[in-house]
Amino acid sequence: ETGVTQTPRHLVMGMTNKKSLKCEQHLGHNAMYWYKQSAKKPLELMFVYNFKEQTENNSVPSRFSPECPNSSHLFLHLHTLQPEDSALYLCASSQDPGQGAEKLFFGSGTQLSVL
Amino acid sequence: GQNIDQPTEMTATEGAIVQINCTYQTSGFNGLFWYQQHAGEAPTFLSYNVLDGLEEKGRFSSFLSRSKGYSYLLLKELQMKDSASYLCAVRDSNYQLIWGAGTKLIIKP
Repeated sequence: ETGVTQTPRHLVMGMTNKKSLKCEQHLGHNAMYWYKQSAKKPLELMFVYNFKEQTENNSVPSRFSPECPNSSHLFLHLHTLQPEDSALYLCASSQDPGQGAEKLFFGSGTQLSVL
Repeated sequence: GQNIDQPTEMTATEGAIVQINCTYQTSGFNGLFWYQQHAGEAPTFLSYNVLDGLEEKGRFSSFLSRSKGYSYLLLKELQMKDSASYLCAVRDSNYQLIWGAGTKLIIKP
């Protein structure tokens, strides 16, 4: 148990569907992140929120829309996805972003399949 | 560009020792991390190196040479539960984390 919970664990959706991924952290951290993990590829940072404010958007297509209502919850809204968006989506949190030995606490991820 | 290289897959025997290498070319350096990720589970933090040398933590040790852009993770007395992917990540001069693609370690009895 890492203190970061993601739901759902698995999601299958069609290209015209709209769905949302949810992440909750119980660690009292100030920063939350969305990462994409594809097989045999490095983790790709998608979005960073620090104190509920988005501080980074790594050229992510607009079909991915993040939402951070408070410092404990993070959502990723999905619409009109493409098959190449199929991947494991990981949420992470940290006390403060980008500080020295700052380590990330990850959730177990949502395995997304786009048909 | 920035790059982290680590072997895609390694196989080792239970009870043995294995060394997983990581080489990096990044814009600046502000620390190197190792994470462990079991299949279907969250990556979890293993170690952090910012100065040259060896950091030991139980059966796991991590080494860093900044001049060579090189690190390794050393796992001793391997157990079946050590079968996992091991991710190397470097924090660059902008404090961004640059990730390797991970090394899948298979432990055989």
